[in-house]
Amino acid sequence: DTEVTQTPKHLVMGMTNKKSLKCEQHMGHRAMYWYKQKAKKPPELMFVYSYEKLSINESVPSRFSPECPNSSLLNLHLHALQPEDSALYLCASSQFGENRPGANVLTFGAGSRLTVL
Amino acid sequence: AQSVSQHNHHVILSEAASLELGCNYSYGGTVNLFWYVQYPGQHLQLLLKYFSGDPLVKGIKGFEAEFIKSKFSFNLRKPSVQWSDTAEYFCAVNKLTGGGNKLTFGTGTQLKVEL
Repeated sequence: DTEVTQTPKHLVMGMTNKKSLKCEQHMGHRAMYWYKQKAKKPPELMFVYSYEKLSINESVPSRFSPECPNSSLLNLHLHALQPEDSALYLCASSQFGENRPGANVLTFGAGSRLTVL
Repeated sequence: AQSVSQHNHHVILSEAASLELGCNYSYGGTVNLFWYVQYPGQHLQLLLKYFSGDPLVKGIKGFEAEFIKSKFSFNLRKPSVQWSDTAEYFCAVNKLTGGGNKLTFGTGTQLKVEL
């Protein structure tokens, strides 16, 4: 299995809702990532988990809360979002958390398209 | 701060034309370099990567890229494009640190190949 699976594919939520995005990989990868991609823009790094520990937080607002329950799963909990948070949220994984030659190739999921009303 | 520049934002080519997309990065340390492609409605896919060794790397679907360290460049090339190459192309740079991977993407180049 060489895929990163993200659910849901589409999510519409109000500004007062609480929802979660889920990501799963079964490649034995030990690093997982959340990226945000707005239309016609490149993906922007939000969070990196390395060996189930948060290693990078790119100054993301606290209304986004990541969680890594185990090495295969990554969640992004959403609360009190703003309309400008509407975007495609991409999950990715890589073989190791640290940079080893050949190990830091990211495999991306198809994304969860979030619309905040 | 690390940055990645792609100077061609939109490129339109006819089938069989040659392609070269520019990519420059600003980080002076050791880096790994990538090109990703995003076909319409699909997820990001790895085209090719450079870690070390031969600076000319070959990827999938006939694409290749050349790493020129002195110019901080990693340009993508294809001798003859096809209609199916219509997609968004992202250059990405990963600087080697002791922490987690921090892959930074360029702004992307939208390629349209006309029949």
